[in-house]
Amino acid sequence: KAGVTQTPRYLIKTRGQQVTLSCSPISGHRSVSWYQQTPGQGLQFLFEYFSETQRNKGNFPGRFSGRQFSNSRSEMNVSTLELGDSALYLCASSLDTGVVGRFGPGTRLTVL
Amino acid sequence: AQTVTQSQPEMSVQEAETVTLSCTYDTSESDYYLFWYKQPPSRQMILVIRQEAYKQQNATENRFSVNFQKAAKSFSLKISDSQLGDAAMYFCAYSSNTDKLIFGTGTRLQVFP
Repeated sequence: KAGVTQTPRYLIKTRGQQVTLSCSPISGHRSVSWYQQTPGQGLQFLFEYFSETQRNKGNFPGRFSGRQFSNSRSEMNVSTLELGDSALYLCASSLDTGVVGRFGPGTRLTVL
Repeated sequence: AQTVTQSQPEMSVQEAETVTLSCTYDTSESDYYLFWYKQPPSRQMILVIRQEAYKQQNATENRFSVNFQKAAKSFSLKISDSQLGDAAMYFCAYSSNTDKLIFGTGTRLQVFP
């Protein structure tokens, strides 16, 4: 069974730009959650989606948004990028909510 | 609010020896899950072991076992017969029946030959 796929793996943007990251869950998994990992703040929860509905949202500004499609693929968008948005963004998928499953390899975002 | 605390930023162990990583958490919920994740330098987060709070029996996965003390809100990870491949960051995490994981700050484990 293929694992969680995240694209792109690496991204370099400049301040003020916007970025879209993609996450394809394991086949059959309906829940996707997103996390931001930085050396200073550690791992922080961004969003959780289940069957195209956002079920949970972390404490991030409105510049961070996400969505989930009918095939369970999920995207997250960050607008008006700031230097502090430089991080590893991890996506995890699970069969159902409450049973946290597999993580993807992450997207490394660098904001210059 | 729920919190997860890992008080050991770094630990080291010799190959074939046993090491225990500590984790404490705070919650007012009675039904929740606890996890240990491993993140090697390659960055991919790997689930090591999972414990349901309603189960009194400690979870075990091969060389990995936990000591779950619900009253003390403690959830330590024991790695037996340590191997070089066990070297990684280890994160303790909490979830209250959602996919929202609350992570600790991590413990970097070094394994020496």
